[in-house]
Amino acid sequence: GAGVSQSPSNKVTEKGKDVELRCDPISGHTALYWYRQSLGQGLEFLIYFQGNSAPDKSGLPSDRFSAERTGGSVSTLTIQRTQQEDSAVYLCASSFSRESYNEQFFGPGTRLTVL
Amino acid sequence: KQEVTQIPAALSVPEGENLVLNCSFTDSAIYNLQWFRQDPGKGLTSLLLIQSSQREQTSGRLNASLDKSSGRSTLYIAASQPGDSATYLCAVRGNAGNMLTFGGGTRLMVKP
Repeated sequence: GAGVSQSPSNKVTEKGKDVELRCDPISGHTALYWYRQSLGQGLEFLIYFQGNSAPDKSGLPSDRFSAERTGGSVSTLTIQRTQQEDSAVYLCASSFSRESYNEQFFGPGTRLTVL
Repeated sequence: KQEVTQIPAALSVPEGENLVLNCSFTDSAIYNLQWFRQDPGKGLTSLLLIQSSQREQTSGRLNASLDKSSGRSTLYIAASQPGDSATYLCAVRGNAGNMLTFGGGTRLMVKP
């Protein structure tokens, strides 16, 4: 079956522009996660969705970052007024539920470069 | 706050060797631990997941162990092959929230 997909695979933008990153989780997976991977910080959690609600937004680095999920499926991560320090690979993961025994499966990521 | 450390940061071995990658975490109150593989420019591939109640998991040439009380996990790779070359990441899911906390990874190179 299809895995987690993300689009675009690469995004180059100018400082100050807004960007939207998309994640399509594995069909039937109710939990969805966004992470960020950067050279200096490693892999960091951003936000977690259970269904369409986000009970844990603790990893979002600033109020320029927001995310939504609709229909319990697709999620969009939006970064407003991008800064150079936002350059990173943004990874999405999904799992069947939030139960402890469920593996998280990751997408290929979106590489964001802010010039 | 949970902290996850992986040692060594990089490892180079000749083909055929058995090897061990180490992962340690500071808070032993975890739900599970996952080992991932990441190839350059790619996403993460899940290798093994160990529940907090388990001691080890095996998949093919891979064996992961978990000692929750001491905050340690090891990933054992038997008869390494050049195709095993990648970065290996361990991640723990703790009590606080559902997210994974990742180690910095071990970059493995297996030479033919």
